[in-house]
Amino acid sequence: DAKTTQPPSMDCAEGRAANLPCNHSTISGNEYVYWYRQIHSQGPQYIIHGLKNNETNEMASLIITEDRKSSTLILPHATLRDTAVYYCIVYNTDKLIFGTGTRLQVFP
Amino acid sequence: GAVVSQHPSRVICKSGTSVKIECRSLDFQATTMFWYRQFPKQSLMLMATSNEGSKATYEQGVEKDKFLINHASLTLSTLTVTSAHPEDSSFYICSARGDRTSSYEQYFGPGTRLTVT
Repeated sequence: DAKTTQPPSMDCAEGRAANLPCNHSTISGNEYVYWYRQIHSQGPQYIIHGLKNNETNEMASLIITEDRKSSTLILPHATLRDTAVYYCIVYNTDKLIFGTGTRLQVFP
Repeated sequence: GAVVSQHPSRVICKSGTSVKIECRSLDFQATTMFWYRQFPKQSLMLMATSNEGSKATYEQGVEKDKFLINHASLTLSTLTVTSAHPEDSSFYICSARGDRTSSYEQYFGPGTRLTVT
């Protein structure tokens, strides 16, 4: 079963930052937080992952709270192509189990 | 990131027939491959995990005799849906992962849409 809680949907204006929250209050010490997204009718795309430090790559930033019970994925300048379902997954390098995710709608 | 391909991208078959879906890792060796199924407006559901050269491990509720998985090489896994029925119509997605010395993230294929008539 998924160990994360995400809002079912969010809207974001194009060009603004999209901040997607995720709660993972039962995360254990050796589990990573992974983010994937799925654009309609495509396979999921890896975005970013982290253990306890904040991470940034060319796609997004990941902010993990000090107690590791929650995290936020930040898309700094959302575009229409970022419209997708975003999945936050707690992963111990065994297998990825997907929850219901957040459906992000970027509007013009 | 690493590239995973699937073939075919979509397939229509008649009820009672079998259909094979291929999953290939194109630029890395996939020691582990995963097969997921996704129904409309639902999340991905993990069906099975396979390690190269070993029998697949199926998730609870997935019929191993119906969904045959073969992972014969480090770059190829196949899923065969045997005696397909309309309720097997779904979006099938594979994922591949390398070993700890290379690409340990799971990378996903583009998916195969199966329609059983």
